[in-house]
Amino acid sequence: GENVEQHPSTLSVQEGDSAVIKCTYSDSASNYFPWYKQELGKRPQLIIDIRSNVGEKKDQRIAVTLNKTAKHFSLHITETQPEDSAVYFCAASKAGSARQLTFGSGTQLTVLP
Amino acid sequence: EAQVTQNPRYLITVTGKKLTVTCSQNMNHEYMSWYRQDPGLGLRQIYYSMNVEVTDKGDVPEGYKVSRKEKRNFPLILESPSPNQTSLYFCASSRSRALGDRGPGANVLTFGAGSRLTVL
Repeated sequence: GENVEQHPSTLSVQEGDSAVIKCTYSDSASNYFPWYKQELGKRPQLIIDIRSNVGEKKDQRIAVTLNKTAKHFSLHITETQPEDSAVYFCAASKAGSARQLTFGSGTQLTVLP
Repeated sequence: EAQVTQNPRYLITVTGKKLTVTCSQNMNHEYMSWYRQDPGLGLRQIYYSMNVEVTDKGDVPEGYKVSRKEKRNFPLILESPSPNQTSLYFCASSRSRALGDRGPGANVLTFGAGSRLTVL
């Protein structure tokens, strides 16, 4: 089955700096890659996703890049703010379906004021 | 309000005492799933359901049962809980059930608030 590895497990950045979280996946058939954000004590919520027919997607301060050849994808957060502090999960799935969504182990991002 | 509702939110129980965590969604979603969240392990899928009466195992199904008798409900059953099932459990749903459904928001998972279970 699919295996998703996520790094780093913890990340601290100064407010205003950029943060990058990286994930690799094992199944070349995977073609849907969402990122979920989980604030302390809250439920995970989708922040951005990308399909394998595109290499990059942006939404304001967040962006995701995908390298299908290398089987890795990354989340980029620019101009970080304290409210960006949360656990971020990457995930991978086949055929555009959430049926077998495999999550990474999560990254605790702390934005220092 | 569109939501996924889980109950109970917190539960402390003892080994072997059967328990059920309920999950209900009001969005007419086809797909529902259960995950457990443990430190350093992320979210691991327990069971999922593509439609009424259609369920399948995820990555960590041992010790759990599910049923999908109605579209809106997807209860998680622990027949004989053990301490290694102490965890934070999330139910989630999404509109998509068909492979390759690329409609807007089709694959977005809506999570419940979580149920923290402690088995002594």
